[in-house]
Amino acid sequence: QVHLRESGPGLVEPSETLSLTCGVSGYSISTAFYWGWIRQPPGKGLEWIGSIYHSGSTNYNPSLKSRVTISVDTSKNQFSLKLNSVTAADTAVYYCARGLYITVPGDYWGPGTLVTVSS
Amino acid sequence: DIQMTQSPSSLSASVGDRVTITCQASQDIGDYLNWYQQTPGKAPKLLIYDASTLQTGVPSRFSGSGSGTDFSFTISSLQPEDIGTYYCQQYDNLPLTFGGGTKVEIK
Repeated sequence: QVHLRESGPGLVEPSETLSLTCGVSGYSISTAFYWGWIRQPPGKGLEWIGSIYHSGSTNYNPSLKSRVTISVDTSKNQFSLKLNSVTAADTAVYYCARGLYITVPGDYWGPGTLVTVSS
Repeated sequence: DIQMTQSPSSLSASVGDRVTITCQASQDIGDYLNWYQQTPGKAPKLLIYDASTLQTGVPSRFSGSGSGTDFSFTISSLQPEDIGTYYCQQYDNLPLTFGGGTKVEIK
């Protein structure tokens, strides 16, 4: 069974960088597959942030592209999200998932982690 | 970006009722449509992919249909554990986009 879990600070100050890691167990990232990040502001819908292939190739939502970096560390079987210059509008539950690419559904998701942007 | 329009935004039905949600894409997406269920405080769960294929382990009371721009999702007999919000999502083009969600409640 594939399991994912997000980790990182729950509070980030405005203008700083949000950094999250998604640890994967039950499947080797280096084998194949896309790995993605989604966010959900409190009480609102879902927004795709971006996805990375196991080889390191990335695709980002144009609405966030200038501020986002997704990377993969196959030696630790994890992938990461960095979102810089955050504002209160970036306050959300952040989810990582396996899949989330063209023709690839998101079939396994982490439980999510709430990140609040506030001073 | 492809816009996904879901309706209704919320519904209330009795246990055992048949429930249908619709999703319309702003352009042809073939059958590259997923349906997710999100129960309160939990991550979305994939129920249906490729518009009509049931994910492994998902009860057969859930079904999906459609192609092109018009899709539907049905719960044939609503159960108490089905309460939550349901989202459609297209994965034909980047950026991946979701519908606004349909909140399902028990009457």
